[in-house]
Amino acid sequence: GEEVAQTPKHLVRGEGQKAKLYCAPIKGHSYVFWYQQVLKNEFKFLISFQNENVFDETGMPKERFSAKCLPNSPCSLEIQATKLEDSAVYFCASSQRDRGTEAFFGQGTRLTVV
Amino acid sequence: KQEVTQIPAALSVPEGENLVLNCSFTDSAIYNLQWFRQDPGKGLTSLLLIQSSQREQTSGRLNASLDKSSGRSTLYIAASQPGDSATYLCAVDRGSTLGRLYFGRGTQLTVWP
Repeated sequence: GEEVAQTPKHLVRGEGQKAKLYCAPIKGHSYVFWYQQVLKNEFKFLISFQNENVFDETGMPKERFSAKCLPNSPCSLEIQATKLEDSAVYFCASSQRDRGTEAFFGQGTRLTVV
Repeated sequence: KQEVTQIPAALSVPEGENLVLNCSFTDSAIYNLQWFRQDPGKGLTSLLLIQSSQREQTSGRLNASLDKSSGRSTLYIAASQPGDSATYLCAVDRGSTLGRLYFGRGTQLTVWP
């Protein structure tokens, strides 16, 4: 596609429930990045992929967060046993290369944990 | 560690004014810098990308400059319009961190008619 597509747009989960977010990168883009936007405009990097391989996972809270990018499927970000502090907007971005090229962002998924 | 700061945090101007938004970063070893626009409840729209070897980029009424050695970038918006109202974010790619972007907190711009 011509844009990064994220689903769902909104997600509400009770504390302790699982949340799964999806991202379809722009066709032809090999790199996918996940960011978490908390508070007001504070962006936190979570993880990046080169095709289906994890590229950089230094931002991931590993105990409850996991992510995948499988061939011919949207990428996914899963949060097990959600906590109130996981409430945020999760953005996915894609780019053609790992550096030096423009990153294109999706519309985000707003996760609310109640 | 790369820290990105944007000043001012908020700006309110009448239509027609020319404005300058500032972005500074602590580590000058960047690969590129990107300016984004975010409308309330929406995603990020890429405005301009400046490579580390470039001094400026222009798109319509927008002009972004980069002074890598001093760790600064400015986004100049000419003849502002109410439709320019949004939050403007700058983000740097350190190169050494594999495309990961470091974001500032943004400047919230309001242009009133």
